[in-house]
Amino acid sequence: DQQVKQNSPSLRVQEGRISILNCDYTNSMFDYFLWYKKYPAEGPTFLISISSIKDKNEDGRFTVFLNKSAKHLSLHIVPSQPGDSAVYFCAGNNGNQFYFGTGTSLTVIP
Amino acid sequence: GAGVSQSPSNKVTEKGKDVELRCDPISGHTALYWYRQSLGQGLEFLIYFQGNSAPDKSGLPSDRFSAERTGGSVSTLTIQRTQQEDSAVYLCASSFQGWNQPQHFGDGTRLSIL
Repeated sequence: DQQVKQNSPSLRVQEGRISILNCDYTNSMFDYFLWYKKYPAEGPTFLISISSIKDKNEDGRFTVFLNKSAKHLSLHIVPSQPGDSAVYFCAGNNGNQFYFGTGTSLTVIP
Repeated sequence: GAGVSQSPSNKVTEKGKDVELRCDPISGHTALYWYRQSLGQGLEFLIYFQGNSAPDKSGLPSDRFSAERTGGSVSTLTIQRTQQEDSAVYLCASSFQGWNQPQHFGDGTRLSIL
């Protein structure tokens, strides 16, 4: 049972434009969400988080939006840079463990 | 270094053999996690250690899988009588306390079962 879903396996964006990565979840008990970035042959790196009491969290070029009623979160990267090319995982936490999506591979075209 | 360290980085072994994967968490992190990522899949939770508490083994896929954490630091994930479906990248992560904090991942061990 996939509690966190990233339905777009890949995304291509022109440098300087906005990248929007989407994530849907099914468990209404999730109270904390994170985005991780992963380069090939490396472990995931924490990027940004959001608590369920918020609907937006911003850190530099990265903003995460949470829509609890739709059980949907998104990561916005603006402006996108070639170094952002990586696989992005979202994860939800129900206070007991993290559930990860299958990832979206972002390619930023110079 | 200051990050989570995993060894070996790659392991190739024959079906039926036992393997041990090692994780050295960030110093001072009380929580340690093991995940695996199979081809085309997300990260699958395996086991969670928090301080001296009994580990949460709810994610271990079979009794061939076991893990230890000695002295609250280094952890070893053991897979006995490996099967081809065990082939995956095994990732270890640690966090300062528990589930409510971001996890810092190692670079993983790529396990291939022939």
